[in-house]
Amino acid sequence: AQSVTQLGSHVSVSEGALVLLRCNYSSSVPPYLFWYVQYPNQGLQLLLKYTTGATLVKGINGFEAEFKKSETSFHLTKPSAHMSDAAEYFCAVSAPTFTGGGNKLTFGTGTQLKVEL
Amino acid sequence: DGGITQSPKYLFRKEGQNVTLSCEQNLNHDAMYWYRQDPGQGLRLIYYSQIVNDFQKGDIAEGYSVSREKKESFPLTVTSAQKNPTAFYLCASSKSLGREDQPQHFGDGTRLSIL
Repeated sequence: AQSVTQLGSHVSVSEGALVLLRCNYSSSVPPYLFWYVQYPNQGLQLLLKYTTGATLVKGINGFEAEFKKSETSFHLTKPSAHMSDAAEYFCAVSAPTFTGGGNKLTFGTGTQLKVEL
Repeated sequence: DGGITQSPKYLFRKEGQNVTLSCEQNLNHDAMYWYRQDPGQGLRLIYYSQIVNDFQKGDIAEGYSVSREKKESFPLTVTSAQKNPTAFYLCASSKSLGREDQPQHFGDGTRLSIL
């Protein structure tokens, strides 16, 4: 079975500071990894994904994440936080566990990012 | 613009009442999903469907039912058997069978509350 752990349910940074949101996964097979962002009362929007190939993945809004197999991690970073980055962020892992196909996503419990002036 | 439309945005349920949440997609996706979101618990899978006229229980299906009569539509009914229905419900879709590398696309959710 696969699982995701997001360390820190709340993270606060100053505007212009580095954003680091942590995600560790557990999977018995090579995983596919995703980061989603959720603004209040909205659905989830894909930030970036890792499937195969380059381990440093760039996404939208200046975010990036690095897949580290040896550490089973997929931490999300952004060099300089902006007020508009304040939202909840979810890490998710996918693996071929469905019978009949499709992709089952297992989500972490989320990290609320606060950006202060 | 292609996307997923959930309606209504807010819904109130009385005791003993069934309510149905609508989810429509025009992305031509085969697979559709329903999640429940509670504060601090992430997203939990209620039901999913890979193809028309077929659906499977997820992790927390008790008290819920679904149908998939059309590719575009995947309504969720919250029955009176669901004793704690207050939550934010999210519908999602993904492109095709057996493609775990494909991301899921989400609607904007329905917030259900008990009267």
